[in-house]
This record gives sequence, structure tokens and C-alpha cells, in this order.
Amino acid sequence: EIVMTQSPATLSVSPGERATLSCRASQSVSSNLAWYQQKPGQAPRLLIYGASTRATGIPARFSGSGSGTEFTLTISSLQSEDVAVYYCQQYKNWPLTFGQGTKVEIK
Amino acid sequence: EVQLLESGGGLVQPGGSLRLSCVASGFTFSSYAMTWVRQAPGKGLEWVSAIRSGTDNTYYADSVKGRFTISRDNSENTLYLQMNSLRAEDTAVYYCAKPQQLVPSWFFDLWGRGTLVTVSS
Repeated sequence: EIVMTQSPATLSVSPGERATLSCRASQSVSSNLAWYQQKPGQAPRLLIYGASTRATGIPARFSGSGSGTEFTLTISSLQSEDVAVYYCQQYKNWPLTFGQGTKVEIK
Repeated sequence: EVQLLESGGGLVQPGGSLRLSCVASGFTFSSYAMTWVRQAPGKGLEWVSAIRSGTDNTYYADSVKGRFTISRDNSENTLYLQMNSLRAEDTAVYYCAKPQQLVPSWFFDLWGRGTLVTVSS
């Protein structure tokens, strides 16, 4: 099983500042990596797939990068509506696995 | 409207059974693989099971293998999860989700609102 490890657990960022979230895979997943955003009481929403492709309707301030075992989700200018938990997910191998999440809050 | 609607959750005793349903609308359900993902209270996401568009290819997390069965009825646009021998650690919100692509790369662009399963005596 591929273990996905996200850091930090919680990230406090001032409005308008950059937020950088990390995701590490225990073995290479190539670019088979997705990012999701989950707000309280809501289902997850797909943000990024293929490590760097934004899903339909996702604002340009969200970007993804990386390949192999190291990945980054960047929110270039944090907005209040971006407060949420963010999860990475690998889909290279079965079982599909998620990271434990990074909670983004406003400083 | 493109949507997924889960139902069938509730309170069940340890060792009991429950069947979850997920009704799809607004897209060609029969053409897409589908999956179940769960989230224990206050915890992260855990993939549970997946099924390809044909019904003969299924996948399970080790934590549910041998206890849960995924199936689908393409004529009814419905996905199922039969859960047997339930344990306290199966307590979670269960989401059904659809992959973005017909030839599935297993990331999910459509999610239901979830149904809560509570396993407790």
C-alpha cells in the first residue's frame, strides 16, 4: 500500500498570502496524484488531477506541482473561502490512498 | 442536474448488516466506474471499494474485504454497498463518487452528500 503523508497538519496564513501544502508518497506515483478541498459539512471537491491540471471551474490561484514522490499544492493568494481541509490522493496503485489532510485557516 | 444521492445509512448493532444505495442522475451511469469513500467522524478520507462500468471488476480496501460487497444496477442508475459483519470502526459518512473520465483514472469529480452509518450497541 502506498502511504501518503501530508504536511503540515495545520497551516495558518494571512489573507492574500501564499499557502503551500505538501504531500509525499511512500513510493513513486508518477503524476497520478489528485488534490481535494473539503469544507465543513460538505463532500470533497476535486481541485487538481494529474498532479498539476486544474479541474473544471477551479480558480487559477490553485496550482499543483511535483511528480514521483513529492507534490505541492499552492494557493497563491489565500481567500476566506479557501478555509478548508485539503487532501491528496494517489491513483497509481490499488488500494487508492489519501493523505491525512492539511487544515488551512486564516491567520 | 448531475448528481449522486446516497441513502440507507443509520444505526446498526455490531455484527449487523446494512445496504447503502447511491442513485445517479444527469450522466450516463452505465458508462462510468464508481466508488465508495468513507470518513469517520473528525477523521480523513478512506477509500472503501470501486467497481468498473461492467460489473465484473471490483476492488476493496483490506479493511472491508470479505465483509462488504459493491454492486450496481445500470438499469436503475444505482450503486450499492452491502455491508455485513459491521464493526464500530466502520462508523463513518459514506460517500459515493464518480471518476472524471470514462476510461477511469481513479480520481473523482462528482461526489454525493454522504450517508451516515453508525455501528453501536
